Amino acid sequence: NAGVTQTPKFRVLKTGQSMTLLCAQDMNHEYMYWYRQDPGMGLRLIHYSVGEGTTAKGEVPDGYNVSRLKKQNFLLGLESAAPSQTSVYFCASSPVSGRAKNGDEQFFGPGTRLTVL
Amino acid sequence: AQSVTQLDSQVPVFEEAPVELRCNYSSSVSVYLFWYVQYPNQGLQLLLKYLSGSTLVKGINGFEAEFNKSQTSFHLRKPSVHISDTAEYFCAVSEKPSVGYSTLTFGKGTMLLVSP
Repeated sequence: NAGVTQTPKFRVLKTGQSMTLLCAQDMNHEYMYWYRQDPGMGLRLIHYSVGEGTTAKGEVPDGYNVSRLKKQNFLLGLESAAPSQTSVYFCASSPVSGRAKNGDEQFFGPGTRLTVL
Repeated sequence: AQSVTQLDSQVPVFEEAPVELRCNYSSSVSVYLFWYVQYPNQGLQLLLKYLSGSTLVKGINGFEAEFNKSQTSFHLRKPSVHISDTAEYFCAVSEKPSVGYSTLTFGKGTMLLVSP
């Protein structure tokens, strides 16, 4: 099992450019998440999905869009990149547990380091 | 709404010494609590979690944490640290939902620096 993979690992954009970050998981997890990590800020949730075809906003959704067309993939898009979106982006997934909803471990990808000039 | 406070941004400690990383949370309902670790240039991985039952939770790599409901705390401890424990540690909370889904809220992290 590869677990959670993210593409690309690094990217440099100019202000106004667009890009899509791809997250893939091979664990058949229902839930998937996109976070951004900034120094001294911890991880902040951008968007998440509780199943194929569904998405929801997290804490910091502005400037981002997402899609979950297939259960194993979760795409994060930046339509017009801004320097404030310079960050490390992490994707995560978690299973659905009947015993303790929301109590399951999230499995994280290795991250994408994005710089917007 | 839930929130997490990690009281120390950085904790320096010598190898083989004990360590405690502090975490306090705020929520109006019952919660699940987690500690994740992030090694340099990697994603996060779960150290341990509290869902219910015994308030002392044991995790991987010799770490343990104690849930204290009255003090709304979930401090992480290890009796003897190694150089390899140098990493950033994140406390996280999610509310037990009656309906719907509740997301995970992370603290800002504590950098554990272990020196020889």
